[in-house]
Amino acid sequence: NAGVIQTPRHKVTGKGQEATLWCEPISGHSAVFWYRQTIVQGLEFLTYFRNQAPIDDSGMPKERFSAQMPNQSHSTLKIQSTQPQDSAVYLCASSLEGGRGTEVFFGKGTRLTVV
Amino acid sequence: GDSVTQKQGQVTLSEDDFLFINCTYSTTTYPTLLWYVQYPGQGPQLLLKVTTANNKGISRGFEATYDKGTTSFHLQKASVQESDSAVYFCALGSGTGGYKVVFGSGTRLLVSP
Repeated sequence: NAGVIQTPRHKVTGKGQEATLWCEPISGHSAVFWYRQTIVQGLEFLTYFRNQAPIDDSGMPKERFSAQMPNQSHSTLKIQSTQPQDSAVYLCASSLEGGRGTEVFFGKGTRLTVV
Repeated sequence: GDSVTQKQGQVTLSEDDFLFINCTYSTTTYPTLLWYVQYPGQGPQLLLKVTTANNKGISRGFEATYDKGTTSFHLQKASVQESDSAVYFCALGSGTGGYKVVFGSGTRLLVSP
C-alpha cells in the first residue's frame, strides 16, 4: 500500500498560468478529499467526492478552482489564472467510506508556489 | 458551522516531560473528536479518535479525553521523547455523516534531548 500519491510534489507557476495537481487515492477507498494548508489559514477543506461524485465543494473558491474525479483511481485539482495567494500545500486524502470517524489518509501534498 | 479552537501555538519541552494540549469545539451534532500529527514533509496522520461512546482514546503512549460540559478535549502524554516533535492538530468530524474534518490551527511540539 503506497498510500495516497500526489504529483508533482512541488510546482512553480507564473502568475496567471494554470496549475493542475494530481491525486491517486488508496485503492478501494470511495471517499476523496482535497485540503489546502497555509501558515496563515491552516488546514482548509476544499472539496469531497464519494464514489467519484462531487458531494461537497463548499470550500472551493468559486472562481478559478475546479476539481474532478474522472475515475476511481485519480482526482485532479485545477487552478486557472494562478495568483500569489494560491501558494500553499495542497493535500489530497482518501478514506474507505467517508463516514463519521472513518480514518482519513493524507498524501504528502503538492507545494504550489506562484511567482 | 462546526469549529475547533486550538490556542497553544507552540510547546517546548524536554524529554520525559509531561505533555498537555487543550482544544475547544463547537458542533450541533454529537462530536467525533480527532487528533492528527504532522511530521515535516508529510500529510497529517490520525493519532487518536474520541467519541461519545468511548470517551477516551489511547495510542502510542498518547491519551485523548474530552469533557462534554466544557466542550473541550485534550491530548496528553506522560513522558515525551524527542521523536514526538511534530505539529499536533485537534480536529472535529463534521458534515452530514461526519465526513469532513475541521482542523484546529495546530500546536508545534519541540522536545529537546
